[in-house]
Amino acid sequence: DAKTTQPPSMDCAEGRAANLPCNHSTISGNEYVYWYRQIHSQGPQYIIHGLKNNETNEMASLIITEDRKSSTLILPHATLRDTAVYYCIVRVAANYGGATNKLIFGTGTLLAVQP
Amino acid sequence: AAGVIQSPRHLIKEKRETATLKCYPIPRHDTVYWYQQGPGQDPQFLISFYEKMQSDKGSIPDRFSAQQFSDYHSELNMSSLELGDSALYFCASSPQTSGFTDTQYFGPGTRLTVL
Repeated sequence: DAKTTQPPSMDCAEGRAANLPCNHSTISGNEYVYWYRQIHSQGPQYIIHGLKNNETNEMASLIITEDRKSSTLILPHATLRDTAVYYCIVRVAANYGGATNKLIFGTGTLLAVQP
Repeated sequence: AAGVIQSPRHLIKEKRETATLKCYPIPRHDTVYWYQQGPGQDPQFLISFYEKMQSDKGSIPDRFSAQQFSDYHSELNMSSLELGDSALYFCASSPQTSGFTDTQYFGPGTRLTVL
């Protein structure tokens, strides 16, 4: 799986948008970009994933550059409860009916939302 | 919505003892993953099962074994425990019937402390 690079930490003011960048310059054509977050000592929480198109759900938006070498996770209105380590993970999605692939966690970005 | 259930949530053992961690996946999820997260570290993949067969293996010590049962729950057995085995152990599950997307959903984890 392709490696990712994320800033180790970021601050964001409560109520403002949090934009978390991720570089994945060696991503392959069949690899998806997944974002998870981990609030202190809790289980990692799935946020969003995408292949090449921008994606949005109730939690966040994912913007993937046209060359797919980087992406940005956007939390539109950050709250104190969004303080967590955010992991950008690139992996091949499972072949239908076959074995799936593990998640390889990097160091992630510690997002601190400030009141 | 039902989530991944892990038991016990906390476990304290002595060195050289054995421990068994249990994971109950989300209903209709047939793939289970185990991850280990040491203090101050990122989650590391241990092993996964699909349809009761081992599908992938990471840096899992020989002292550890795991299996998936007919009801899809999984157990991680750890023998000859060492101080370094103290960690959070997460289980995740994913559905295989969703085609090319196989998002993993994590449980709350089991905190194992070896004294």
